[in-house]
Order: sequence, then structure tokens, then C-alpha cells
Amino acid sequence: QITLKESGPTLVKATQTLTLTCTFSGFSLSTSGVGVGWIRQPPGKALEWLALIYWDDDKLYSPSLKSRLTITKDTSKNQVVLTMTNMDPVDTATYYCAHRDLGRPFDPWGQGTLVTVSS
Amino acid sequence: QSVLTQPPSASGTPGQRVTISCSGSSSNIGSNTVNWYQHLPGTAPKLLIYSNNQRPSGVPDRFSGSKSGTSASLAISGLQSEDEADYYCAAWDDSLNGEVFGGGTKLTVL
Repeated sequence: QITLKESGPTLVKATQTLTLTCTFSGFSLSTSGVGVGWIRQPPGKALEWLALIYWDDDKLYSPSLKSRLTITKDTSKNQVVLTMTNMDPVDTATYYCAHRDLGRPFDPWGQGTLVTVSS
Repeated sequence: QSVLTQPPSASGTPGQRVTISCSGSSSNIGSNTVNWYQHLPGTAPKLLIYSNNQRPSGVPDRFSGSKSGTSASLAISGLQSEDEADYYCAAWDDSLNGEVFGGGTKLTVL
């Protein structure tokens, strides 16, 4: 059974850097074809894909946020870390991490963590 | 503004059939498969349909998906009160080299 859980601060100040950790079980990021992605949802708005990292360390970023995002993996700890620089109140959202096999959809997802950015 | 276009809302009475549309372009739906997610507030989005029309294990056959050209649709037959949720379509976009989502459709069971 695959499970994922997001962790990190619930409140950050504008201009600060956000660091979120996705801790997972039930799969290994050293297995060929496996990836973990990040998706967010601002309150009352739609889902937005942020970043994706694969077993071979291939990294993909949303073009609109690429300059602010960094995704890394720690295979030994079963963790994926997302950092987002220069946070702004518009970045207030629930941030989800999700498992993805190459060519397949995001499934399953973590429960999400709400991050509020104060001005 | 989401890359994929969905109606913001849909509704139906118990037992009815409802459909939710998702419109994209040649770089996403036109060249890749479509997935659908069901999202209840405060919970993790759940994969409902993948590869245009495939149901994961455990998803009732009341849910079905289809795709034609640059559009896709989700159909829910025999509507039930527990189907009240937000529904999102998603697809890979070759131009953006990333996943794109629809704006979401809030389904209300009257």
C-alpha cells in the first residue's frame, strides 16, 4: 500500500522560503519509472501542478514557477523535498504530494498541508 | 486561468446521469490521455478515471470517461448523494512539459 504525507510550516511570511517534505512508503524512488510530484490548491481555486521528480533524478517544473522551485529526493529516507522561494500571500494553498509512475496519473495523493503566507 | 476548460458547476437529482466536459488543445488532450479526479474538501484527490476511460480498482462502473479529439468527458450515471464533490480533469501537456488541470467542476446532487 502506497502512502504519502506532507509536512512543513503552516505559516510563512512574505519573501521567505518555504520548504515542504513529502515522506512516503510502499514504493522506492530508486525503482525505474517511479516519480513523486507536487500539486497545490489555493482556497476556492483549482489544482495546479508544481514539480515532478523521477527515479533517475529527472526534474520537471511548472514553467510559470520554475524560477522559484527546487525539488530534490532522498532515496534512503523515502522523502522528496520542495522548496519555493520568495513566498507571497497568493501562494497560500494546500500543498499535496503524489506518487506517479512514468506515463501514469498522479495516484495516490497525500492528505495535503495548508500553508498560509502572511504579509 | 486553467489550461483545460471545465464548466464550473453541474447538478442532477439522485438516479440521474450527468456529464462533465473538459476541453483542451492539441498539446495536451489532443496528444495525451486524460485522467479524472474526485475531490472532497479536506481530503486527498482521488483518481477516478485514467487513460481516458479506465477505472481504477474500487471505482464503481457508474463512472465512465471518454475522449474525442481535444475534448474529454466524465459521465456519472445513477447519481448518488455521495457523488457530490469537485471533479478535475488532467492531462500531460507536451508544450509545457508538465501536467495541466482543469478548473474543476462542482457537482451538486439536488
